Amino acid sequence: DAGITQSPRHKVTETGTPVTLRCHQTENHRYMYWYRQDPGHGLRLIHYSYGVKDTDKGEVSDGYSVSRSKTEDFLLTLESATSSQTSVYFCAISEGSSGTDTQYFGPGTRLTVL
Amino acid sequence: AQSVAQPEDQVNVAEGNPLTVKCTYSVSGNPYLFWYVQYPNRGLQFLLKYITGDNLVKGSYGFEAEFNKSQTSFHLKKPSALVSDSALYFCAVRDINTGGFKTIFGAGTRLFVKA
Repeated sequence: DAGITQSPRHKVTETGTPVTLRCHQTENHRYMYWYRQDPGHGLRLIHYSYGVKDTDKGEVSDGYSVSRSKTEDFLLTLESATSSQTSVYFCAISEGSSGTDTQYFGPGTRLTVL
Repeated sequence: AQSVAQPEDQVNVAEGNPLTVKCTYSVSGNPYLFWYVQYPNRGLQFLLKYITGDNLVKGSYGFEAEFNKSQTSFHLKKPSALVSDSALYFCAVRDINTGGFKTIFGAGTRLFVKA
C-alpha cells in the first residue's frame, strides 16, 4: 500500500467521544488526503493537506478536523463522534496536486460509532 | 459540476470471458480519468489513468480502458477475466481546471468472476 499506514485499523467507540485516526507515510509526499467510504457513495473527500500545517476542507468536512505537524503524519479527529460517522476512512497521498498526479491509498480504518 | 456514474452495481462474468466495467463522466473542461480496484479489507489500488493522447490506455494486471470523448465514457476492459479479478472497481474523474484536490469517485462496481 505505497508506504502508507493507518492506525488503528478498527475502532468501536460511543457517541459523543473524541476519536483520532492517524495516517503515516514514508514516501515524503507533500499532499495528503482523508476520505470516507460509504456504500453507494464511493469515496468522499473530508480534508486534505498541501504541506506541514497547511490544510483545507473537502466536500464532507463537518464534524471533522485535521492536523499535520510533520510531513509524514496526517491526523483526522472527530471531536464528538456521531453514528453518522460510522464509516471506513482512507488516507491517501500524492506527490503533486496537479490533475495528473496519482493518489495512493492506505489500508483503511473501519470506525463504528455506537 | 463534476460527476461520475458507474451504472452497474455488479457485473458477473465467467472466467476466460472478456469483461467490461462501465463509467461515464461529466466535467466542465477536459477530464483526467482514473480507475482503481479495491480488494476486501484493502485500500484502493491504482490501475490506470487517462491524461491525454491515445484513447486506449493500458494498465496493471492486463486491464485497459478506452476514453471516448463524444460519449463521455471511460470503460474498463480486460480480454480474459480471472477469478482473482473479483473485486470492487472505482472510476474517478478530475477536471483539468481544478486539479488534484477535487477528485470525484463513482459509487463503485462489484465484479464477480465465476470459475
